[in-house]
Order: sequence, then C-alpha cells, then structure tokens
Amino acid sequence: DAGVTQSPTHLIKTRGQQVTLRCSPISGHKSVSWYQQVLGQGPQFIFQYYEKEERGRGNFPDRFSARQFPNYSSELNVNALLLGDSALYLCASSLDGTGSYEQYFGPGTRLTVT
Amino acid sequence: RKEVEQDPGPFNVPEGATVAFNCTYSNSASQSFFWYRQDCRKEPKLLMSVYSSGNEDGRFTAQLNRASQYISLLIRDSKLSDSATYLCVVNRSGGSYIPTFGRGTSLIVHP
Repeated sequence: DAGVTQSPTHLIKTRGQQVTLRCSPISGHKSVSWYQQVLGQGPQFIFQYYEKEERGRGNFPDRFSARQFPNYSSELNVNALLLGDSALYLCASSLDGTGSYEQYFGPGTRLTVT
Repeated sequence: RKEVEQDPGPFNVPEGATVAFNCTYSNSASQSFFWYRQDCRKEPKLLMSVYSSGNEDGRFTAQLNRASQYISLLIRDSKLSDSATYLCVVNRSGGSYIPTFGRGTSLIVHP
C-alpha cells in the first residue's frame, strides 16, 4: 500500500511569493494534518482537516491556509513568503480527526525562501 | 513553560546499553500520547503509542504517568541502528484537535 505522498519534494521561492504544497493521505485515512519543522525543533502543528473541515489550527499567521478535497487529499498555501518560512513542511494522515489514532507522515516538502 | 518538554541530549551510549527518555507535558487535558523516531533529514516514523497501563514492543517500553504528567521511553539492548532523534507527541482534544510535539531527544549509539 502507498504511504502518504507529498509534492513537490523541494521548492525554492523568493520573498513575497506564494506557494502551494500538496499531500495525498494513505488510502482509507480521512484526516490530514500539516506541520512545519525547522532544524533542531520538533514539528509544529499548522492545521488539521477531517472530512473536508478544519478541525484544528496551530499558532500560525493568516498567510497560511489549507483545504481538503473530496478524495481527502489536501493543499497547504502560504502567501507573502518570508525568509522565516524556510522549513520542512510535513503532511500526516490518520484514520479520523480525534487524535486517538496514530499519524503517518509523508516525506515532506523542503521549502527554501530566498 | 513549554507545553511539551524533552531533554534534547544528545544521549551517547554504547551498544547493548539501556537508555530512557522522558517527556513532560503541562496540559492535564492531554488525551493521547505517542513516540516517533526521526532520522536525519527524514520524516518522523511512528515508534509506538503510549497506553495508560504501559506497553512494550520488543526492546522498547513506553509508560505514561498521568499524575506527574510525563511519558517515558525505555530502549533495552541498544543497537547502532537505534541512533536517531526520538520525538514525543501529546494530543489534546475536546473541541479542536491540537497535537504538540516535543523538540526531540537525540540518541547516538556507538560501538
């Protein structure tokens, strides 16, 4: 079975630009969460979506937005990129949105903002 | 105080050693707990869930102490391949879902 997939794997953007990252969950999983991870830190929670609805939001500015599609795949959008947005962006899927089930992570998208 | 705290280490141990990590959390509404392993420049991979009664998976044992608000991970008979960063995650829900990861504890197992 395919695991969580993310695209693209690497991305280089300029300050002020916008970026869209994509994620496909494990088949049968209905929840997708997004995380930002900078070097030396644990993943920081950005959003969780379950059944196409936002179920949780971390402490990130409104420049960050996301959505989930009927096939449970998801996109994360970041507007007006800042140098500090450079990080590994991880997507994780789980069976439901309760947090009781394990999350499985994709390989991540490494974003560099110059 | 951070919501989830881990000693970043590194813990430097010889092969065959037993090593234990703790992870403390501040929110008593926390409901589910997990340990993940992350290799350098890779995604976190689930190691094990943590149950109230404690649970074991081969050389790995996880414990939860709700009274003192910490979880622990014990690794017995360390292997070179156990070298990685170990992340704890604490989930609280009840309304909205908020998972919080610790910053991770680095383990280096040497020959």
